[in-house]
Amino acid sequence: DSGVTQTPKHLITATGQRVTLRCSPRSGDLSVYWYQQSLDQGLQFLIQYYNGEERAKGNILERFSAQQFPDLHSELNLSSLELGDSALYFCASSSSVLTDTQYFGPGTRLTVL
Amino acid sequence: QKEVEQDPGPLSVPEGAIVSLNCTYSNSAFQYFMWYRQYSRKGPELLMYTYSSGNKEDGRFTAQVDKSSKYISLFIRDSQPSDSATYLCAMSARYAGGTSYGKLTFGQGTILTVHP
Repeated sequence: DSGVTQTPKHLITATGQRVTLRCSPRSGDLSVYWYQQSLDQGLQFLIQYYNGEERAKGNILERFSAQQFPDLHSELNLSSLELGDSALYFCASSSSVLTDTQYFGPGTRLTVL
Repeated sequence: QKEVEQDPGPLSVPEGAIVSLNCTYSNSAFQYFMWYRQYSRKGPELLMYTYSSGNKEDGRFTAQVDKSSKYISLFIRDSQPSDSATYLCAMSARYAGGTSYGKLTFGQGTILTVHP
């Protein structure tokens, strides 16, 4: 158990819908990262937040957004969902911006029908 | 061309074998290297972290980095059925001041099966 929690574990929804994925980092970690894992693209970095502020951005679609709250938990919002958004979404956390070691949560499996 | 290339396998070995997993990369900015293990339907678990060329050992696992060749390896000695998983290499870079870019770039993962 990495100490990173994610809810829900599974999510099944329809095209065009909007969903919210939630992540709680390890106790004391200030950085939260979101990744998408699909069979064809592998693990892809989406976005990083550090202590409430966006710090780095990857290939995140405009339909996707994220935020980190004062209690350091983070939410990833996915809207206008398409079939191709079906994937595993992982949250990871690290203690500071001086480390590259990231600890991953168990993931949320999103299925768009 | 992908920044990180990893042979997806699958790789099947008998219990007790030495396993060699490899990644190559093209981005010279990568200076920090990690290996993650991912069991089916689980999150990646950090196995090894290294930032210098050479070898780093941790129990049955040895991580090797050759920055001149842009090549990293993970060796597993005395492999066990419980080692059966997907192994992902990951890399990162830092700004001049030492802070991390934040983003990890992953290989595609190698599926390993160790059979009794």
